[in-house]
Amino acid sequence: SAVISQKPSRDICQRGTSLTIQCQVDSQVTMMFWYRQQPGQSLTLIATANQGSEATYESGFVIDKFPISRPNLTFSTLTVSNMSPEDSSIYLCSVSPLISYNEQFFGPGTRLTVL
Amino acid sequence: KNEVEQSPQNLTAQEGEFITINCSYSVGISALHWLQQHPGGGIVSLFMLSSGKKKHGRLIATINIQEKHSSLHITASHPRDSAVYICAVRGIQGAQKLVFGQGTRLTINP
Repeated sequence: SAVISQKPSRDICQRGTSLTIQCQVDSQVTMMFWYRQQPGQSLTLIATANQGSEATYESGFVIDKFPISRPNLTFSTLTVSNMSPEDSSIYLCSVSPLISYNEQFFGPGTRLTVL
Repeated sequence: KNEVEQSPQNLTAQEGEFITINCSYSVGISALHWLQQHPGGGIVSLFMLSSGKKKHGRLIATINIQEKHSSLHITASHPRDSAVYICAVRGIQGAQKLVFGQGTRLTINP
């Protein structure tokens, strides 16, 4: 399995500001995914981040709002830009290992509240 | 109609009861995942199934590929099992994307 850590674990932010969430994995992984879970809802995929290439965004999500970096095989960041209260959600990092792409592991999540 | 449907949406039981959560899906899949989410938000992967049955401690997961149906069972339930249980499937096409059910909120009372 892969052990994933996220920073920060939670934050309260003001409208119009930006927050960068870090995801660190204890082993090299091919695919890293960023999900959003709005209150009472299931998980929604924001984007898939491969090392060395641009992230692939899902419908409804754009790079200007959610820029992603993937500098190496164990680390990624997601920035939530120009935040509004509608961005209040849990943001989860998830990974698929190099040797078993069907497997997927999830981080502890970042609980974001925007005032 | 959602591609992944879970039932029930909410379940409350007494400690010690046998729990069953169901998941039905409508697409061909390469794998089905059962996930557990505690109130803090973090998600733990419980099982990944492509056929048959898996057991880990008091948890049992089964899948019937022909019927496109999976069940998660908890034996001798305990209050610490209280969580949201999520079924997710990975399709055959576009293999990397998981499609999630809405989750089942389980509460076990002492």
